[in-house]
Amino acid sequence: DAGVTQSPTHLIKTRGQQVTLRCSPKSGHDTVSWYQQALGQGPQFIFQYYEEEERQRGNFPDRFSGHQFPNYSSELNVNALLLGDSALYLCASNYLQGPLYEQYFGPGTRLTVT
Amino acid sequence: RKEVEQDPGPFNVPEGATVAFNCTYSNSASQSFFWYRQDCRKEPKLLMSVYSSGNEDGRFTAQLNRASQYISLLIRDSKLSDSATYLCVVGSARQLTFGSGTQLTVLP
Repeated sequence: DAGVTQSPTHLIKTRGQQVTLRCSPKSGHDTVSWYQQALGQGPQFIFQYYEEEERQRGNFPDRFSGHQFPNYSSELNVNALLLGDSALYLCASNYLQGPLYEQYFGPGTRLTVT
Repeated sequence: RKEVEQDPGPFNVPEGATVAFNCTYSNSASQSFFWYRQDCRKEPKLLMSVYSSGNEDGRFTAQLNRASQYISLLIRDSKLSDSATYLCVVGSARQLTFGSGTQLTVLP
């Protein structure tokens, strides 16, 4: 049983560009959350998707948007990249009605903006 | 003020030492509490949930004081393999809020 998978593993972009990150949840999970982890910091919640809709959102600008597909996989899009967007982007999945501790993280995508 | 605050660290301790991490949270409506472990350049992984009655898992003991909004993690008989960053995590409204983490290095 595959856990949470993310692609790509690493990515280098230039300021002003746009990027799309992808996540496949653990089998049986219907909810996907995205987090941004800057160097030396804990993960910060970006948003959560369930039933193809954004259910909750953290304190991130509209440049950050997402999508969930019928198969529960998800994408995170970031427009007009800034140097400060360089971070590890983590995807986590869980079953909405399940306990919070059953939220599993993917290995992350390391984004570098130059 | 950050929602979840942890000891800044880093902690460097010899093998066999006992080390304690502390954490405070600001949202009194928080419903669930966890400690996660994160190895260098890896994803966070759940170490243990934290309950008001306190709970123990082998060498690890977690405590929660809701009145003081305080969470702790005690690691006894530290092993080299315990070297990692320990993240204090608070859950509410089906969302996890992470502290900045405390780095632990166990020295031989």
